Amino acid sequence: DQQVKQNSPSLSVQEGRISILNCDYTNSMFDYFLWYKKYPAEGPTFLISISSIKDKNEDGRFTVFLNKSAKHLSLHIVPSQPGDSAVYFCAASALNSNYQLIWGAGTKLIIKP
Amino acid sequence: EAGVAQSPRYKIIEKRQSVAFWCNPISGHATLYWYQQILGQGPKLLIQFQNNGVVDDSQLPKDRFSAERLKGVDSTLKIQPAKLEDSAVYLCASSSQQGALEQYFGPGTRLTVT
Repeated sequence: DQQVKQNSPSLSVQEGRISILNCDYTNSMFDYFLWYKKYPAEGPTFLISISSIKDKNEDGRFTVFLNKSAKHLSLHIVPSQPGDSAVYFCAASALNSNYQLIWGAGTKLIIKP
Repeated sequence: EAGVAQSPRYKIIEKRQSVAFWCNPISGHATLYWYQQILGQGPKLLIQFQNNGVVDDSQLPKDRFSAERLKGVDSTLKIQPAKLEDSAVYLCASSSQQGALEQYFGPGTRLTVT
């Protein structure tokens, strides 16, 4: 069963506009949620995280929002830049599973000039 | 600081052959992970080491996959014999401690089994 789902395989956004990537989860025991970014032929790199006790975390152009009642989180990138074109993975972890990361399938973000 | 190193970057083998992947984590990182990423999916944890001990190998197909981390530094992942469905990217990651949110990934090894 997929505990973490990213339902949009790809997303195309104009440079300078806002990019919104979505992620849904089913396990209410998750303690942390993370976003990783992956360029072709490279491993994923950590982008931003949020604790389950918070509803927002911001780091520069990147903001993650968590809606626990809806079991939904989103990553906002404002403004979008060409270098943001990559695959974005949502992941979640829980203390009771040794903080093992459970990953979504990823969303490919394409920033158009 | 040097990142996570993996080799080889690419490998093509026939089914029933064996293959081994090598990983050198970031210096000082106690926790090491091996992931399998099949095309179109997110990474799936195969095994997690804390120093040279196994923390979690519940998703490792132990009839054909094995991994070791001698001396708590480098690690090797082996597949013997390989099946067509093992075609994937094998990612190694490390973190400073167990439970650390941020994991540092190597570039991966793309395995094709024909």
